Amino acid sequence: DAKTTQPNSMESNEEEPVHLPCNHSTISGTDYIHWYRQLPSQGPEYVIHGLTSNVNNRMASLAIAEDRKSSTLILHRATLRDAAVYYCILRDHLDGNKLVFGAGTILRVKS
Amino acid sequence: DTGVSQDPRHKITKRGQNVTFRCDPISEHNRLYWYRQTLGQGPEFLTYFQNEAQLEKSRLLSDRFSAERPKGSFSTLEIQRTEQGDSAMYLCASSLIGRGAQETQYFGPGTRLLVL
Repeated sequence: DAKTTQPNSMESNEEEPVHLPCNHSTISGTDYIHWYRQLPSQGPEYVIHGLTSNVNNRMASLAIAEDRKSSTLILHRATLRDAAVYYCILRDHLDGNKLVFGAGTILRVKS
Repeated sequence: DTGVSQDPRHKITKRGQNVTFRCDPISEHNRLYWYRQTLGQGPEFLTYFQNEAQLEKSRLLSDRFSAERPKGSFSTLEIQRTEQGDSAMYLCASSLIGRGAQETQYFGPGTRLLVL
């Protein structure tokens, strides 16, 4: 599975946007980019995924670089409930079964 | 609440004992996954089922570990002769695989195991 690189931790102020980066320079043409997050004492939860185009949903936006070697998860207005570990994961489109998690980015939100 | 339930939520056992965990997936989800997570790390894949068939097992799944999914509904994960290194959070996830391979996995709250 292709590897992703994320910062260990980031900090944000409440009500401000947060941009969480992910590098995946070895991404293949068939890999989708997925983001999951894990709130304290809970299992991971799906956030968003995309292939080439930017994607938006009610939780977040995903901006994918033109060369697909990096992507950014955007939380438009961080709340205290967004404090979690955010995981960037690559999944092959032909056989995207298991999720391969890295260490993720710990997001701290200050009030 | 994702709809995936796990039981028990916590388990303390002594080294050498056997333990069994149960996962109830979202109804009609055909895939069921088991992951293990230790403190400060992301979850690691253990095994997964499609319906009742176990399709992949990680190298992490030693001979002491066995998972079943009879009738393609709930699943159990048994650890025999537990060791202190088995202490971790055991997570279950389910999904509905259709034509595309980018299905969303829904995770349960996990079972936290402590082996003394």
